[in-house]
Amino acid sequence: DAGVIQSPRHEVTEMGQEVTLRCKPISGHNSLFWYRQTMMRGLELLIYFNNNVPIDDSGMPEDRFSAKMPNASFSTLKIQPSEPRDSAVYFCAIPRQDGGSDNEQFFGPGTRLTVL
Amino acid sequence: GQSLEQPSEVTAVEGAIVQINCTYQTSGFYGLSWYQQHDGGAPTFLSYNALDGLEETGRFSSFLSRSDSYGYLLLQELQMKDSASYFCAVASFQKLVFGTGTRLLVSP
Repeated sequence: DAGVIQSPRHEVTEMGQEVTLRCKPISGHNSLFWYRQTMMRGLELLIYFNNNVPIDDSGMPEDRFSAKMPNASFSTLKIQPSEPRDSAVYFCAIPRQDGGSDNEQFFGPGTRLTVL
Repeated sequence: GQSLEQPSEVTAVEGAIVQINCTYQTSGFYGLSWYQQHDGGAPTFLSYNALDGLEETGRFSSFLSRSDSYGYLLLQELQMKDSASYFCAVASFQKLVFGTGTRLLVSP
């Protein structure tokens, strides 16, 4: 079964600080998705990678957001500087089976970010 | 653009059957997925329909009509643990676009 570790699980920071969210698929995957979930906007795709290359980053809100996937076992989402409106739950997801359909995704537990 | 519409909330009692509808407008449609999310948890995959018709998985079934841009999730023999949010999601160009979710409240 696919598994994803996200860290930290909770992050509270002050406006203007840099925030780095981490995602680690337990088994290396070539595809990886970052989502943001808020009450107002629902579940939004921010960016996704295929073969460790960003394919579509049209969901990234603005230049303050950046993401990397240096290898099949690790990805980061960075926000700098952070703002209160960035407060949300950030999920990382992978295909349930490596090489399988992107329609069946396994979500990590999420990082709850609060920017004061 | 892409848009999906679902009811915001549905209520039902234990043992009942409930249907959650989803209509969509999208380009590049490959199929319709359904996800369940409990409060404080992560979305979990329930089902996927690429072709018209009904797919059954235990107490849950999912239906798709591509010509009508419509699908639904059918939950039978409802249990209290089914209280959660349910999202339909369109598979399009290697990614998923999620609806706003339907909150299902199951009462005794």
